[in-house]
Amino acid sequence: RKEVEQDPGPFNVPEGATVAFNCTYSNSASQSFFWYRQDCRKEPKLLMSVYSSGNEDGRFTAQLNRASQYISLLIRDSKLSDSATYLCVVNPGGYQKVTFGTGTKLQVIP
Amino acid sequence: NAGVTQTPKFQVLKTGQSMTLQCAQDMNHEYMSWYRQDPGMGLRLIHYSVGAGITDQGEVPNGYNVSRSTTEDFPLRLLSAAPSQTSVYFCASSSAGQGDYGYTFGSGTRLTVV
Repeated sequence: RKEVEQDPGPFNVPEGATVAFNCTYSNSASQSFFWYRQDCRKEPKLLMSVYSSGNEDGRFTAQLNRASQYISLLIRDSKLSDSATYLCVVNPGGYQKVTFGTGTKLQVIP
Repeated sequence: NAGVTQTPKFQVLKTGQSMTLQCAQDMNHEYMSWYRQDPGMGLRLIHYSVGAGITDQGEVPNGYNVSRSTTEDFPLRLLSAAPSQTSVYFCASSSAGQGDYGYTFGSGTRLTVV
């Protein structure tokens, strides 16, 4: 099993739709979790951290399920500008152990 | 406040040539790292540094060297370029905390080795 797994997509959704991505991880001792956004031919940018209690930032909600070892990202009311690749990042502890998923591509269509 | 600055943005090398990718940050971050990104493989850690004078290997260090003489700078050296090193390279930095606070990435260097 890969350390971090994501569905590569693409997820093609209409404007205004709600879309959710999951990311599974194999190391149950993982301590911190993040979602990054990467636009085509650009650098990854931190979107949000993922906490055990879940967190919300506007239209974006991130949740952690430790029992099933996955994190999720929910995007409500999708905008064209949300089109990007979303990377999940898992840190089991230690800088050198941070693992990036290969990303899920989202395409929001008019 | 420029964040993380990488140069050059693009580079074409011939097999066997050497070069240095530059990375500088102005956020006083202790932690800096180099990643390469290849299609379908995610970001892979090459080398990292937890402070000036301290470096260590990541997942794919072969063929690369690093040094950290100052907090601000973390150059990556390709010793003898090979086609397998064709990739997009990202430098990233983070404040102390074992990566708990997320990373700030530079804009990347697209390297082609022919």
